[in-house]
Amino acid sequence: AQSVTQPDIHITVSEGASLELRCNYSYGATPYLFWYVQSPGQGLQLLLKYFSGDTLVQGIKGFEAEFKRSQSSFNLRKPSVHWSDAAEYFCAVGLNYGGSQGNLIFGKGTKLSVKP
Amino acid sequence: EAGVVQSPRYKIIEKKQPVAFWCNPISGHNTLYWYLQNLGQGPELLIRYENEEAVDDSQLPKDRFSAERLKGVDSTLKIQPAELGDSAVYLCASSSGTSGRNTGELFFGEGSRLTVL
Repeated sequence: AQSVTQPDIHITVSEGASLELRCNYSYGATPYLFWYVQSPGQGLQLLLKYFSGDTLVQGIKGFEAEFKRSQSSFNLRKPSVHWSDAAEYFCAVGLNYGGSQGNLIFGKGTKLSVKP
Repeated sequence: EAGVVQSPRYKIIEKKQPVAFWCNPISGHNTLYWYLQNLGQGPELLIRYENEEAVDDSQLPKDRFSAERLKGVDSTLKIQPAELGDSAVYLCASSSGTSGRNTGELFFGEGSRLTVL
């Protein structure tokens, strides 16, 4: 069965420090991979997505993620964290129906706290 | 362009009462999703519509949950009767195209937070 694992429930980083959020997936076919961010009381906003091609994808707000098929990973990174990045981050895998995308399976999320 | 609109944002009810949530997707989006998000968890799919057809409702607890999207635009999710364990955030999302030509990007509303006492 398809699944997404985010090993870190909560991460705290200092403002200006680099960030890496881990994501591992289990899926039998070529995955479509996503990172979403959720601020308190808000819906989810797409940060970036990987469908095919270049394994390093750039997203909004200075985020990037790298797809590593050999490790079944899609880790999210940011070189310098801002206080406004404090939020919950969700990794998701898209279920592939005949080459097109259907539902998303989400991980349990990683809560990011930023200290001054 | 307006985003996905959900109402109400917050709802507090007593157990065994009915409750309904409404969602208006982004204009032109054929696919509509209802997700359940429990505290500290990621969203889990309840039902997915392509136009007015429910193409995946395998995770919808049909004994108490129902949903409809009669004209292929807005949708309603109903719980009757509500139980304590239904306290959660109900997220609606939409995407362009259908499973045959879907970009994969879901646009989410702000959610409806349900508290069952």
